[in-house]
Amino acid sequence: DVKVTQSSRYLVKRTGEKVFLECVQDMDHENMFWYRQDPGLGLRLIYFSYDVKMKEKGDIPEGYSVSREKKERFSLILESASTNQTSMYLCASSLTGVRSEAFFGQGTRLTVV
Amino acid sequence: AQSVTQLGSHVSVSEGALVLLRCNYSSSVPPYLFWYVQYPNQGLQLLLKYTTGATLVKGINGFEAEFKKSETSFHLTKPSAHMSDAAEYFCAVSLLNSGYSTLTFGKGTMLLVSP
Repeated sequence: DVKVTQSSRYLVKRTGEKVFLECVQDMDHENMFWYRQDPGLGLRLIYFSYDVKMKEKGDIPEGYSVSREKKERFSLILESASTNQTSMYLCASSLTGVRSEAFFGQGTRLTVV
Repeated sequence: AQSVTQLGSHVSVSEGALVLLRCNYSSSVPPYLFWYVQYPNQGLQLLLKYTTGATLVKGINGFEAEFKKSETSFHLTKPSAHMSDAAEYFCAVSLLNSGYSTLTFGKGTMLLVSP
């Protein structure tokens, strides 16, 4: 079974802190994604990566950055956390190709106070 | 650009009743469509997907969906609801983004099942 593991289920951080969300997948997938989920808005793509050290902006990249130094690991970075970044963050991975489904981690619920 | 619209943010059914969750897509090219389910405090799990071939797609937990090109729809159904089906359901379309495939999701439909 594909496994996508997010390092934390729940995080509480203070405004202005630098926050790292970590994600690891064990199926040698080329693609990795970070989504943000908010009630009534569904899932919105923040960034994705199609190869090591490669990244592309999604629909809502402002205030975020990413890092992919190894194929299995994809990190989301909040440079200076703000209260409007309080949300559920979901990591996913997939094979290359438009027919490939994404496999999701359990999610990290981040609260910025 | 491709997108998906899910009609109804909440759907309520009684246990044993038919489940129908609606999804319409907009696409100028043949779409690749997916349904995911999310149980409380969990990630998303794939229910089923349509890529090519048979337009009636069967998934896990007794769910199925029919791709109707003429109606640009991909509605999710289950003949008889169980209490355990209570969850949020997301329709998604595969989109080429800067030449790479990403999934674009609808806003989700919360399914409520009453005894």
